[in-house]
Amino acid sequence: KNQVEQSPQSLIILEGKNCTLQCNYTVSPFSNLRWYKQDTGRGPVSLTIMTFSENTKSNGRYTATLDADTKQSSLHITASQLSDSASYICVVTTEVYGGSQGNLIFGKGTKLSVKP
Amino acid sequence: GAGVSQTPSNKVTEKGKYVELRCDPISGHTALYWYRQSLGQGPEFLIYFQGTGAADDSGLPNDRFFAVRPEGSVSTLKIQRTERGDSAVYLCASSLLGRHNEQFFGPGTRLTVL
Repeated sequence: KNQVEQSPQSLIILEGKNCTLQCNYTVSPFSNLRWYKQDTGRGPVSLTIMTFSENTKSNGRYTATLDADTKQSSLHITASQLSDSASYICVVTTEVYGGSQGNLIFGKGTKLSVKP
Repeated sequence: GAGVSQTPSNKVTEKGKYVELRCDPISGHTALYWYRQSLGQGPEFLIYFQGTGAADDSGLPNDRFFAVRPEGSVSTLKIQRTERGDSAVYLCASSLLGRHNEQFFGPGTRLTVL
C-alpha cells in the first residue's frame, strides 16, 4: 500500500534554532517528492520538489534531501523564524507508465511551533 | 486570477442538508483537484478534472458527493444529505496542464455539519 509517514507529529523549537523533519515513504512507482508548508487556515504551498535523481534541493532557509534507496526524505530549516510556525507536509507522486504522473500521496504533516 | 479562490471560507450546516462549495482556479489552468482535509491529517484526494471532464473521481467517498466543472474553469463540489463525518476543510487546487505540473492550493472551505 502506498503510504507516507512523517515524524515527529509535532515539534516546538526556539526562534533561531535549526530543526529537521523526517518523511519515509512506501510509494511505488515513484515520480517525485514535494514538501509543502501549510499555515493555519491556508492551503498548502510548495517549498521544494525532487525527482529520483536529485538528492538535495534548497529554497532559502529550507533544504530538502532525498534518499531514493532508503525511501527517506528530510526537510531542514535553518535559523528558524516565528513565521515558520506551520504544518509541513511531505507529498509523494506516483509514476504512471508512459510518463504521465499519477496520484499524490500525502503525509499527515509535522506541526512546527517556533517560540520567541 | 492571482491565485485559487474558494467560497465560502466557512460553512455551517445541519445534518441532512445540501451544500455547494465553489472553487475558482488560476486562470488558464486546465487541471483542477478537490481534496478533503480532516483535523491533524494530510489532504485526502477526492476528484481531478481535466477541462470539463472528471478524469479521476476515485476519491469520492460515496454517491452523496458530486462535483462539476461545466465550462472548464469554476468548479462546484456538491454534498447531499450531509453527515457529521463530512465536517472537514475542503481544499481545491489547480495546475497548468495536469498532474505532472505543480498544484496550487486555495485557502479551503471549512465545512461544519451540526
